[in-house]
Amino acid sequence: DVVLTQTPPTLSATIGQSVSISCRSSQSLLDSDGDTYLNWLLQRPGQSPQLLIYSVSNLESGVPNRFSGSGSETDFTLKISGVEAEDLGVYYCMQATHAPWTFGGGTKLELK
Amino acid sequence: QVQLQQSGTELVKPASSVKISCKASGYTFTSNYMHWIRQQPGNGLEWIGWIYPGNGNTKYNQKFDGKATLTADKSSSTAYMQLSSLTSEDSAVYFCAREPIYNNYFDYWGQGVMVTVSS
Repeated sequence: DVVLTQTPPTLSATIGQSVSISCRSSQSLLDSDGDTYLNWLLQRPGQSPQLLIYSVSNLESGVPNRFSGSGSETDFTLKISGVEAEDLGVYYCMQATHAPWTFGGGTKLELK
Repeated sequence: QVQLQQSGTELVKPASSVKISCKASGYTFTSNYMHWIRQQPGNGLEWIGWIYPGNGNTKYNQKFDGKATLTADKSSSTAYMQLSSLTSEDSAVYFCAREPIYNNYFDYWGQGVMVTVSS
């Protein structure tokens, strides 16, 4: 199975600070169809996960544009440009190129 | 608007089975994949498998083969997951999530069902 390693496991930030989360894959996530199925999710406390970004860099409808994704093959990054209070929670990367689909271990974003 | 409404909390005994549901509304149930994901207490997320309600086709994470069985009722737009031979390891929150066909992501999630296995 593909292993996704997220760093850091915990991130402390002040409101307005820009932060980045890394997701490294044990295999290339470039699919034979040319797409790279690496997605980012946010799970707020007590809630279901929600989709933020799909296929590396595509912003899901309704998600603020302070969120951005980048990367290729095995190395990916989620950036939040100006953290807001509603951004607190656990961020997961998830790959859907190789079966079984797998998730990273999560990065908890806390207020400093 | 798209909604996935899951059934309520379950407290079940070891070695028994449980069937949880996910009622879809606001979209064409038979034209999208429905996935199931497990979240054990304090842990991350694991993908269990998907069902395509249009034809009943399924695909499972090998880890859950024999543990989870996915079905769907087109008449009520409801997806089901049955978990069998339950142990304490199966205590978790189980989510259903929609995948727009051939998009390889989950755009809507149910609220989750907590299953507790205890004697």
